[in-house]
Amino acid sequence: ETGVTQSPTHLIKTRGQQVTLRCSSQSGHNTVSWYQQALGQGPQFIFQYYREEENGRGNFPPRFSGLQFPNYSSELNVNALELDDSALYLCATKISGGAEETQYFGPGTRLLVL
Amino acid sequence: LAKTTQPISMDSYEGQEVNITCSHNNIATNDYITWYQQFPSQGPRFIIQGYKTKVTNEVASLFIPADRKSSTLSLPRVSLSDTAVYYCLVGDAISGGSYIPTFGRGTSLIVHP
Repeated sequence: ETGVTQSPTHLIKTRGQQVTLRCSSQSGHNTVSWYQQALGQGPQFIFQYYREEENGRGNFPPRFSGLQFPNYSSELNVNALELDDSALYLCATKISGGAEETQYFGPGTRLLVL
Repeated sequence: LAKTTQPISMDSYEGQEVNITCSHNNIATNDYITWYQQFPSQGPRFIIQGYKTKVTNEVASLFIPADRKSSTLSLPRVSLSDTAVYYCLVGDAISGGSYIPTFGRGTSLIVHP
C-alpha cells in the first residue's frame, strides 16, 4: 500500500459528459501527477501540480484540467468526454525538492465512456 | 523529450535471474531513471531508482553505464509472483522547470514454473 487513494474505483459515462476524478496524496507529498493508461499501453503523463499550480503538462487538450488543494489532494476534470478517453487514470504523488523524486501511484480509476 | 525503448516481452523460469534493459538515448543531465512494476488493473509500484553506476535494494539492482543512455534492471531469482509489466521511466526537466516524465510501453515478464 502506498497511501495514495483514488475515487471512484470505476466509472461509466457517456460521450459528451463531464467527469471528476479524485486523488488523496500520501502524507507529506506536495506534488501530484496524473496519468492516462490505455489498455496495453504505458501510462501517459497528463499534468503535474505543485503548490496548487500546474508545472508540467503532457500532450493533452485543454478539456483535461486539474486542481490541487491546500491539503495536497487533487482532482482531474475531463470535459466533453470522448470514446478514446476510456482508460485507467492514475495519480502519483511525491515530495518535490529532494535529491531523488520517487513517485508513488494510487490504484487508479477505471473510466469507461460509452 | 527522453523516449525509452524496452523489449516488449520476456520469459523466464522460477529461480532464474532476469535482466531487462531500457534504452534512453536522449536522457537529460539531471534526469533520474526509475523502474516500476505493474500488475493488471493496479497502479505501478516503485521498484528502484538511480542516477549512475549501480544501485541495489532488497528486491532488485539497477545498472547504469557511464553514458547513461541505457539502464538494466536485474531481478535475482524470480518467482511466479514477479510476472508483471515492468516500466522504466526517465523524467524530463526542460527549461523553465517543467516536468514531463515519459514511460515506455513496458516489458511484459512471464515467469514459468
